[in-house]
Amino acid sequence: NAGVTQTPKFQVLKTGQSMTLQCAQDMNHEYMSWYRQDPGMGLRLIHYSVGAGITDQGEVPNGYNVSRSTTEDFPLRLLSAAPSQTSVYFCASSYSGLYNQPQHFGDGTRLSIL
Amino acid sequence: KNEVEQSPQNLTAQEGEFITINCSYSVGISALHWLQQHPGGGIVSLFMLSSGKKKHGRLIATINIQEKHSSLHITASHPRDSAVYICAARSAFGNEKLTFGTGTRLTIIP
Repeated sequence: NAGVTQTPKFQVLKTGQSMTLQCAQDMNHEYMSWYRQDPGMGLRLIHYSVGAGITDQGEVPNGYNVSRSTTEDFPLRLLSAAPSQTSVYFCASSYSGLYNQPQHFGDGTRLSIL
Repeated sequence: KNEVEQSPQNLTAQEGEFITINCSYSVGISALHWLQQHPGGGIVSLFMLSSGKKKHGRLIATINIQEKHSSLHITASHPRDSAVYICAARSAFGNEKLTFGTGTRLTIIP
């Protein structure tokens, strides 16, 4: 049981480049989300999905795109990287529904934009 | 103003000391999460509670809904407890969104 798997773990990009951060979970979780973590700030929600084919914006969605074609995968795309997107990115998943469920986090992707 | 506030921001203690980390929130919540972020960066869920108290090993989490306050306690602290502890509030309004505190960096000195 791998849990939540994020790739890559580290990435350096130049301004204007695009890339996709991968996130996969094998727990059949309906709810998946992407967060960014910056110094001195709490984790902030970028985009989330409550099931395959359904996505919605979080607190800081600008410059990012997501899709959810399967239950397992929830990739995050940077359309045109900017230095302000230098951050550590976390993917998380949980069961959805009426009852609160614990979040499962990936190990994070440390992204630097030059 | 962040809707979830943690205190202290940093805490250094000697091995064996009793540790308390506080979390206050201003939103209506359905649950309060406590998370641990290791020095390597990974985040692990410790507790999720909506009332009362939960205990797991040397860790205890409490919540007072009326006062909108939660605490995380560590008994007999150990250097391996050194980490950043994060509280997060889940909205009471039917969605899954979490609002995170900025974390408390705990260092336990041998």
